[in-house]
Amino acid sequence: DVKVTQSSRYLVKRTGEKVFLECVQDMDHENMFWYRQDPGLGLRLIYFSYDVKMKEKGDIPEGYSVSREKKERFSLILESASTNQTSMYLCASSLRTNANTGELFFGEGSRLTVL
Amino acid sequence: QKEVEQDPGPLSVPEGAIVSLNCTYSNSAFQYFMWYRQYSRKGPELLMYTYSSGNKEDGRFTAQVDKSSKYISLFIRDSQPSDSATYLCAMSFYGQNFVFGPGTRLSVLP
Repeated sequence: DVKVTQSSRYLVKRTGEKVFLECVQDMDHENMFWYRQDPGLGLRLIYFSYDVKMKEKGDIPEGYSVSREKKERFSLILESASTNQTSMYLCASSLRTNANTGELFFGEGSRLTVL
Repeated sequence: QKEVEQDPGPLSVPEGAIVSLNCTYSNSAFQYFMWYRQYSRKGPELLMYTYSSGNKEDGRFTAQVDKSSKYISLFIRDSQPSDSATYLCAMSFYGQNFVFGPGTRLSVLP
């Protein structure tokens, strides 16, 4: 089974802190994604990556950056956390050929609270 | 108008009922349609996948796509308490990232 592991399930940070959210997948998937999930808004794409060291902006990249130094690992970085970044963050992966059309495999999510 | 609309619920039904979950969308270019199920405090998992119009059945679950009406549905027959979850619709076309609905929260009461 595909496993997408997010290192932190729950985090509480203060405004202005730098936050790292880590995601690792074990199925050699080329594509990796970071979403945030908010009530009433659904999942919104922050950033995605089709290959190592490649990244593309999603729909809401402002205030975030990403890093993909290894194929299996995709990190989301909040340089200076703000209260409006309090949310559930979901990492996902998929095969290269399924970037826009196939199954996304999600991690269990990281719930971030910024005080 | 949001690109994908979905009634957030919550929807409560008795065990054994037939459940109908729906999404409407505005972009006629969408070709790939999916339903994800998300249990509380878990990530979404793929439930059904449909390409273009038509029906697809998998056990107690049936997915329908009506592209002319820009309307998709998920039917759950003989609903069980274990079906209690949030159901997310998602859709895309080649070259476009998935767009998700906000999800419908379903409770199946024993």
